[in-house]
Amino acid sequence: ETGVTQTPRHLVMGMTNKKSLKCEQHLGHNAMYWYKQSAKKPLELMFVYSLEERVENNSVPSRFSPECPNSSHLFLHLHTLQPEDSALYLCASSLRSWTGIAEQYFGPGTRLTVT
Amino acid sequence: KQEVTQIPAALSVPEGENLVLNCSFTDSAIYNLQWFRQDPGKGLTSLLLIQSSQREQTSGRLNASLDKSSGRSTLYIAASQPGDSATYLCAVSSYNTDKLIFGTGTRLQVFP
Repeated sequence: ETGVTQTPRHLVMGMTNKKSLKCEQHLGHNAMYWYKQSAKKPLELMFVYSLEERVENNSVPSRFSPECPNSSHLFLHLHTLQPEDSALYLCASSLRSWTGIAEQYFGPGTRLTVT
Repeated sequence: KQEVTQIPAALSVPEGENLVLNCSFTDSAIYNLQWFRQDPGKGLTSLLLIQSSQREQTSGRLNASLDKSSGRSTLYIAASQPGDSATYLCAVSSYNTDKLIFGTGTRLQVFP
């Protein structure tokens, strides 16, 4: 596999379920990102793992929990979600130097529906 | 606080036309600017990246320019085709940060 992959591509879950989204990058990058894309809204950055640190968006609810075991893998753990969490969840990766981030590459996304 | 605006929000043109999509940003101290394409329900595909020291980048029928002092970038699409129909997003990053700031996109439809 090349580029950035995400599984599953589609997920339907109830409000009491626990599930995880997985992202894997095969580009040798050192930074990984989770974004949320809701209908008719700009992309929202949720979490960043960069230069071995986690950078958070403080507005993300605690029912979303990221995990980055190494520079190639990223997870988003979901529990007790709300219907308004239904969205397209996108993973991305890039090379991060001390001066900034280089070209960012995205995965195909996971379409999440919370019932 | 950096803000990115894209005009127009939507565009519908006949096949063969040359197009210009606009992106404006409020803080000119950017590190780079990236143009993406997104098909409905799919992820983003990187089209072009322009470093802050560059004025333009080209890839095939696409040409992106950057004028940092005026806070503008344009994406020029030559000889548009129906397969170019998608949403086009621009995003800027700043020095020593991890964030890309995205515009709200231009939804392009090219009809035969």
